[in-house]
Amino acid sequence: EVQLVESGGGLVQPGGSLRLSCAASGFTFSDYHMDWVRQAPGKGLEWVGRIRNKGRSYTTEYAVSVKGRFTVSRDDSKNSLFLQMNSLKTEDTAFYYCARDNHFYSFDIWGQGTMVTVSS
Amino acid sequence: DIQLTQSPSFLSASVGDRVTITCRASQGINSYLAWYQQKPGKAPKLLIYVASTLQSGVPSRFSGSRSDTEFTLTISSLQPEDFATYYCQQLNSYPITFGQGTRLEIK
Repeated sequence: EVQLVESGGGLVQPGGSLRLSCAASGFTFSDYHMDWVRQAPGKGLEWVGRIRNKGRSYTTEYAVSVKGRFTVSRDDSKNSLFLQMNSLKTEDTAFYYCARDNHFYSFDIWGQGTMVTVSS
Repeated sequence: DIQLTQSPSFLSASVGDRVTITCRASQGINSYLAWYQQKPGKAPKLLIYVASTLQSGVPSRFSGSRSDTEFTLTISSLQPEDFATYYCQQLNSYPITFGQGTRLEIK
Protein backbone atom coordinates (compact mmCIF):
# COMPACT_ATOMS: atom_id res chain seq x y z
CA GLU A 1 0.00 0.00 0.00
CA VAL A 2 1.26 3.43 -0.95
CA GLN A 3 1.50 5.39 2.27
CA LEU A 4 2.97 8.45 3.98
CA VAL A 5 3.09 8.66 7.77
CA GLU A 6 4.12 11.84 9.58
CA SER A 7 5.48 12.04 13.09
CA GLY A 8 7.23 14.47 15.38
CA GLY A 9 4.52 17.01 16.07
CA GLY A 10 3.85 18.43 19.51
CA LEU A 11 3.82 21.48 21.72
CA VAL A 12 6.77 23.88 21.49
CA GLN A 13 7.41 27.36 22.85
CA PRO A 14 7.80 30.36 20.56
CA GLY A 15 11.38 30.56 19.35
CA GLY A 16 11.84 26.83 19.73
CA SER A 17 12.59 24.11 17.20
CA LEU A 18 10.93 20.91 16.06
CA ARG A 19 11.74 18.29 13.46
CA LEU A 20 8.97 16.50 11.61
CA SER A 21 9.44 13.21 9.81
CA CYS A 22 7.46 11.54 7.05
CA ALA A 23 7.95 7.83 6.40
CA ALA A 24 7.12 6.63 2.90
CA SER A 25 6.22 3.10 1.86
CA GLY A 26 4.74 1.26 -1.10
CA PHE A 27 6.52 3.25 -3.81
CA THR A 28 10.01 4.18 -4.99
CA PHE A 29 10.46 7.21 -2.76
CA SER A 30 13.65 8.37 -4.44
CA ASP A 31 11.87 8.94 -7.75
CA TYR A 32 9.57 11.65 -6.45
CA HIS A 33 9.67 15.29 -5.46
CA MET A 34 8.14 15.68 -2.01
CA ASP A 35 6.31 18.55 -0.33
CA TRP A 36 5.08 19.82 3.01
CA VAL A 37 1.69 21.51 3.32
CA ARG A 38 0.17 22.93 6.49
CA GLN A 39 -3.28 23.86 7.68
CA ALA A 40 -3.97 26.06 10.67
CA PRO A 41 -7.02 24.99 12.69
CA GLY A 42 -10.18 25.91 10.81
CA LYS A 43 -8.21 27.50 7.96
CA GLY A 44 -7.20 26.64 4.41
CA LEU A 45 -4.19 24.85 2.98
CA GLU A 46 -0.78 26.53 2.77
CA TRP A 47 2.16 25.07 0.87
CA VAL A 48 5.33 25.12 2.99
CA GLY A 49 8.16 23.73 0.90
CA ARG A 50 9.47 21.18 -1.55
CA ILE A 51 12.50 19.02 -2.09
CA ARG A 52 13.12 17.62 -5.53
CA ASN A 53 14.52 14.17 -6.26
CA LYS A 54 18.14 13.20 -6.85
CA GLY A 55 17.74 13.76 -10.57
CA ARG A 56 17.03 17.41 -9.81
CA SER A 57 19.91 17.60 -7.33
CA TYR A 58 17.68 17.63 -4.23
CA THR A 59 16.98 21.32 -4.76
CA THR A 60 14.45 23.00 -2.51
CA GLU A 61 11.76 25.69 -2.63
CA TYR A 62 10.04 27.44 0.26
CA ALA A 63 7.10 29.65 1.02
CA VAL A 64 8.11 33.18 1.94
CA SER A 65 6.54 32.75 5.39
CA VAL A 66 9.02 30.00 6.35
CA LYS A 67 12.09 30.75 4.24
CA GLY A 68 15.20 30.97 6.40
CA ARG A 69 13.49 29.24 9.34
CA PHE A 70 12.39 25.88 7.90
CA THR A 71 14.49 23.33 6.04
CA VAL A 72 13.18 20.41 3.99
CA SER A 73 15.49 17.41 3.65
CA ARG A 74 15.25 13.75 2.74
CA ASP A 75 17.04 10.44 3.24
CA ASP A 76 16.28 8.23 0.26
CA SER A 77 18.05 5.27 1.88
CA LYS A 78 15.46 5.40 4.66
CA ASN A 79 12.48 6.46 2.51
CA SER A 80 12.10 9.47 4.75
CA LEU A 81 11.28 13.16 4.40
CA PHE A 82 12.00 15.75 7.07
CA LEU A 83 10.99 19.28 7.99
CA GLN A 84 13.31 21.08 10.40
CA MET A 85 11.47 24.02 11.91
CA ASN A 86 13.45 26.68 13.79
CA SER A 87 12.52 30.03 15.32
CA LEU A 88 8.93 28.87 15.57
CA LYS A 89 6.17 31.45 15.84
CA THR A 90 2.62 31.14 17.15
CA GLU A 91 1.40 31.50 13.56
CA ASP A 92 3.19 28.25 12.66
CA THR A 93 0.58 26.35 14.68
CA ALA A 94 -1.02 23.94 12.22
CA PHE A 95 -1.47 20.41 11.02
CA TYR A 96 1.52 19.56 8.85
CA TYR A 97 1.08 17.16 5.95
CA CYS A 98 3.69 15.59 3.74
CA ALA A 99 2.64 14.94 0.15
CA ARG A 100 3.98 13.30 -2.98
CA ASP A 101 4.26 15.21 -6.25
CA ASN A 102 3.07 12.75 -8.86
CA HIS A 103 5.04 14.26 -11.78
CA PHE A 104 1.74 15.61 -13.14
CA TYR A 105 1.52 18.93 -11.36
CA SER A 106 -0.44 17.72 -8.36
CA PHE A 107 -0.08 15.95 -5.02
CA ASP A 108 -1.55 12.47 -5.27
CA ILE A 109 -0.56 10.94 -1.93
CA TRP A 110 -0.88 12.70 1.45
CA GLY A 111 -0.04 11.64 4.95
CA GLN A 112 -2.54 11.84 7.80
CA GLY A 113 -0.87 14.92 9.24
CA THR A 114 0.86 15.78 12.49
CA MET A 115 -0.14 18.68 14.72
CA VAL A 116 2.33 21.37 15.72
CA THR A 117 1.30 23.81 18.45
CA VAL A 118 3.49 26.81 19.15
CA SER A 119 2.47 28.35 22.45
CA SER A 120 3.96 29.53 25.72
CA ASP B 1 2.72 35.30 -6.05
CA ILE B 2 -0.18 33.88 -8.01
CA GLN B 3 -3.49 34.39 -6.22
CA LEU B 4 -6.29 31.86 -6.66
CA THR B 5 -9.78 33.10 -5.89
CA GLN B 6 -12.48 30.49 -5.45
CA SER B 7 -16.18 31.22 -5.73
CA PRO B 8 -18.39 30.72 -3.98
CA SER B 9 -16.74 30.33 -0.58
CA PHE B 10 -19.81 28.55 0.69
CA LEU B 11 -22.38 26.52 -1.21
CA SER B 12 -25.53 24.85 0.00
CA ALA B 13 -26.96 22.18 -2.30
CA SER B 14 -29.07 19.04 -2.32
CA VAL B 15 -28.33 15.44 -3.26
CA GLY B 16 -28.71 15.12 -7.02
CA ASP B 17 -27.89 18.77 -7.76
CA ARG B 18 -25.32 19.83 -10.32
CA VAL B 19 -22.80 22.22 -8.77
CA THR B 20 -19.94 24.25 -10.17
CA ILE B 21 -17.03 25.79 -8.26
CA THR B 22 -14.85 28.40 -9.94
CA CYS B 23 -11.17 29.17 -9.38
CA ARG B 24 -9.69 32.30 -10.96
CA ALA B 25 -5.95 32.79 -11.19
CA SER B 26 -4.42 36.26 -10.92
CA GLN B 27 -2.20 35.50 -13.92
CA GLY B 28 -1.67 32.76 -16.45
CA ILE B 29 -0.89 29.33 -15.05
CA ASN B 30 -1.22 27.25 -18.20
CA SER B 31 -3.26 24.21 -17.16
CA TYR B 32 -1.23 23.50 -14.05
CA LEU B 33 -4.18 23.46 -11.72
CA ALA B 34 -5.40 20.69 -9.45
CA TRP B 35 -8.56 20.22 -7.41
CA TYR B 36 -8.76 18.54 -3.99
CA GLN B 37 -11.55 17.41 -1.71
CA GLN B 38 -11.09 17.56 2.05
CA LYS B 39 -13.39 16.14 4.70
CA PRO B 40 -13.17 17.15 8.38
CA GLY B 41 -10.19 15.61 10.15
CA LYS B 42 -8.84 14.09 6.95
CA ALA B 43 -6.05 14.87 4.51
CA PRO B 44 -6.94 16.38 1.14
CA LYS B 45 -7.72 13.98 -1.69
CA LEU B 46 -6.71 14.65 -5.28
CA LEU B 47 -9.66 14.81 -7.67
CA ILE B 48 -8.47 16.53 -10.86
CA TYR B 49 -5.04 17.46 -12.20
CA VAL B 50 -3.80 19.56 -15.12
CA ALA B 51 -7.19 21.24 -15.07
CA SER B 52 -9.29 18.42 -16.49
CA THR B 53 -7.71 14.99 -15.94
CA LEU B 54 -9.62 12.81 -13.51
CA GLN B 55 -7.45 11.10 -10.89
CA SER B 56 -7.68 7.33 -10.91
CA GLY B 57 -10.50 6.06 -8.73
CA VAL B 58 -12.39 9.35 -8.63
CA PRO B 59 -16.04 9.05 -9.76
CA SER B 60 -16.84 10.35 -13.22
CA ARG B 61 -19.43 12.77 -11.84
CA PHE B 62 -16.43 15.01 -11.10
CA SER B 63 -15.02 17.00 -14.01
CA GLY B 64 -12.75 19.99 -14.53
CA SER B 65 -12.35 22.57 -17.26
CA ARG B 66 -10.31 25.64 -18.12
CA SER B 67 -10.99 28.89 -19.91
CA ASP B 68 -7.86 31.03 -19.92
CA THR B 69 -7.30 31.84 -16.21
CA GLU B 70 -10.69 30.60 -15.05
CA PHE B 71 -11.03 26.99 -13.94
CA THR B 72 -14.14 25.12 -12.92
CA LEU B 73 -14.87 21.97 -10.96
CA THR B 74 -18.26 20.46 -11.69
CA ILE B 75 -20.06 17.72 -9.81
CA SER B 76 -22.80 16.49 -12.11
CA SER B 77 -25.05 14.88 -9.51
CA LEU B 78 -24.20 15.42 -5.85
CA GLN B 79 -23.92 12.37 -3.66
CA PRO B 80 -24.03 12.39 0.16
CA GLU B 81 -20.29 11.67 0.33
CA ASP B 82 -19.48 14.78 -1.75
CA PHE B 83 -20.27 17.24 1.03
CA ALA B 84 -16.83 18.54 1.92
CA THR B 85 -14.47 21.46 1.32
CA TYR B 86 -12.86 21.83 -2.11
CA TYR B 87 -9.57 23.54 -2.89
CA CYS B 88 -7.85 24.49 -6.12
CA GLN B 89 -4.05 24.59 -6.33
CA GLN B 90 -1.66 26.03 -8.89
CA LEU B 91 1.72 24.48 -9.61
CA ASN B 92 2.75 26.71 -12.51
CA SER B 93 5.22 28.71 -10.46
CA TYR B 94 6.60 29.11 -6.97
CA PRO B 95 5.31 29.59 -4.42
CA ILE B 96 2.71 26.92 -5.01
CA THR B 97 -0.61 28.39 -3.89
CA PHE B 98 -4.08 27.17 -2.97
CA GLY B 99 -7.45 28.82 -3.26
CA GLN B 100 -9.18 29.74 -0.03
CA GLY B 101 -11.59 26.80 -0.28
CA THR B 102 -15.26 26.22 -1.03
CA ARG B 103 -17.34 24.58 1.65
CA LEU B 104 -20.14 22.48 0.20
CA GLU B 105 -22.94 21.71 2.62
CA ILE B 106 -26.21 19.86 2.48
CA LYS B 107 -29.28 22.05 1.99
